[in-house]
Amino acid sequence: DGGITQSPKYLFRKEGQNVTLSCEQNLNHDAMYWYRQDPGQGLRLIYYSQIVNDFQKGDIAEGYSVSREKKESFPLTVTSAQKNPTAFYLCASRESRGANSPLHFGNGTRLTVT
Amino acid sequence: AQSVTQLDSQVPVFEEAPVELRCNYSSSVSVYLFWYVQYPNQGLQLLLKYLSGSTLVKGINGFEAEFNKSQTSFHLRKPSVHISDTAEYFCAVSEWSGTSYGKLTFGQGTILTVHP
Repeated sequence: DGGITQSPKYLFRKEGQNVTLSCEQNLNHDAMYWYRQDPGQGLRLIYYSQIVNDFQKGDIAEGYSVSREKKESFPLTVTSAQKNPTAFYLCASRESRGANSPLHFGNGTRLTVT
Repeated sequence: AQSVTQLDSQVPVFEEAPVELRCNYSSSVSVYLFWYVQYPNQGLQLLLKYLSGSTLVKGINGFEAEFNKSQTSFHLRKPSVHISDTAEYFCAVSEWSGTSYGKLTFGQGTILTVHP
């Protein structure tokens, strides 16, 4: 079955450490996205990529970095510069960049930084 | 810039009762509208979408939504809810623009709790 795989499901890190969240899709989608979810705040866009080797900042990119070396993969690194990294992170993909194309989501990674 | 407001953060309801989850948006251009559902510790799943045509849209699990352009609303309804409908629901809007990549903006979410 096609879908988006995020790993790990739960991640614990000490403050000051960088951490990388994995996102892999086998839907053959061009566009991929990273969202952050905090209670009562909905989803906020961190980074997005519409094509391999290209990505753009979203609304809350500070303290995060991404790469898009392969169509299937879009890893997110949470750096030590992110002031409040504890959150639920969702990866999504879309068949095209078009506004009428819905997003498909992975099951998320819950990151806890202490 | 587009924005989405979900008017209720929490909606409690008894099983088999009807429910309406309210969503209003603002945008200066034409939009596409979506409702997603999220069960605990999972990703979001598409419930339904409005792209064009009939303003009444039917989705999965017996949900439907009505697009009202004059009131800029896209309220989600279900005539009779089940315990299994307990989840968080998100309204989202995507602007149509020749230069836009089609950014999807989400509301804050509404937690629907169905009581026996």
